[in-house]
Amino acid sequence: GEDVEQSLFLSVREGDSSVINCTYTDSSSTYLYWYKQEPGAGLQLLTYIFSNMDMKQDQRLTVLLNKKDKHLSLRIADTQTGDSAIYFCAESKTGTASKLTFGTGTRLQVTL
Amino acid sequence: SAVISQKPSRDICQRGTSLTIQCQVDSQVTMMFWYRQQPGQSLTLIATANQGSEATYESGFVIDKFPISRPNLTFSTLTVSNMSPEDSSIYLCISSQGNEQFFGPGTRLTVL
Repeated sequence: GEDVEQSLFLSVREGDSSVINCTYTDSSSTYLYWYKQEPGAGLQLLTYIFSNMDMKQDQRLTVLLNKKDKHLSLRIADTQTGDSAIYFCAESKTGTASKLTFGTGTRLQVTL
Repeated sequence: SAVISQKPSRDICQRGTSLTIQCQVDSQVTMMFWYRQQPGQSLTLIATANQGSEATYESGFVIDKFPISRPNLTFSTLTVSNMSPEDSSIYLCISSQGNEQFFGPGTRLTVL
């Protein structure tokens, strides 16, 4: 079955860049997503990338996709304390009306 | 986009009882899914709610424990039956239309 793995914890200093990594096993994944979950809150879609792309940039966020290695990363530039949250990657097989398989989540802690 | 509401937002229940969670979407959507997020865990798909037919359950989840209804394209219910403390979790309704997913706010269930 599908498997999406992330490291559990990342700590960065305010102003530095954060890189959160995700690996997946299903080569038929079509869309890959990054979600943010703040304490006690629901999931917020940050960005997504289609599998025929290798990079997508949106303001402070850069998503890199290495389809050969099935590796996805989220880079947050100039990390702020408000970025402290749990970040989930997720994949779906098709972008149309498809179910999501979520990663295990990475807790990002931003220190002063 | 679609806006999803869930009722109740939270509940505290006694073991052995059942709780029905409602998910209402403000527009017709193709797919509706029910997920569970146990404390400190990622999101796990329980089942796909199919309009007019029985839900499709993921491995480890059964209809007797989690009966699901979807009478139309905008509404679904999930019942958590014969609850035990292990069912304490956030239950999340997610709908899908095109290549977009829409998240409900979640129902936080505590079983004593």
